[in-house]
Amino acid sequence: DADVTQTPRNRITKTGKRIMLECSQTKGHDRMYWYRQDPGLGLRLIYYSFDVKDINKGEISDGYSVSRQAQAKFSLSLESAIPNQTALYFCATSRMSTTGELFFGEGSRLTVL
Amino acid sequence: AQSVTQLDSHVSVSEGTPVLLRCNYSSSYSPSLFWYVQHPNKGLQLLLKYTSAATLVKGINGFEAEFKKSETSFHLTKPSAHMSDAAEYFCVVSDRGRNAGNMLTFGGGTRLMVKP
Repeated sequence: DADVTQTPRNRITKTGKRIMLECSQTKGHDRMYWYRQDPGLGLRLIYYSFDVKDINKGEISDGYSVSRQAQAKFSLSLESAIPNQTALYFCATSRMSTTGELFFGEGSRLTVL
Repeated sequence: AQSVTQLDSHVSVSEGTPVLLRCNYSSSYSPSLFWYVQHPNKGLQLLLKYTSAATLVKGINGFEAEFKKSETSFHLTKPSAHMSDAAEYFCVVSDRGRNAGNMLTFGGGTRLMVKP
């Protein structure tokens, strides 16, 4: 089983719909992240959480919200999806002690029509 | 501010020939540098990292990268490409003066194609 699991893996939705992407991990890491990948732009950070009570905005948080339900679970919500939120979304985790070493899920591909 | 430029969006090599993926960075602090690999329909996986020890860093699957401060470069190389190396590669910089994780900056990626 994957250490970082994302659901759903693929989702097609319509403009204005609310969407939730879920992430769970079995690595026991405190830190969790949501990134967005667009062709040619690499990955950009949406939100990150260093523990259950600590949630921070990343570079591109507008239009997104998150919830850290437990140490192992971190969900990303799009309250009212728009077409330019069509992208590949990645959840990642890391240990507190290791800079830059992230463990990624396999991604959730979201298409907003 | 930190930034990363991957100089080639696509690189094509023949199996058995050397691989060179180029990366230049800018950083206000002493940087940590990383290469990640993304195989089709998979998440990213750490290939190697530089965090201030030896400037020549060896990673998994025969890849290595050399940190050159004077050239602000961190190019990824492999002596002999294998078909399984076909993937997208990301160069990443992190200012070590910042909190871990939240200040990673990703390059735009280089897609490596390996011809038989």
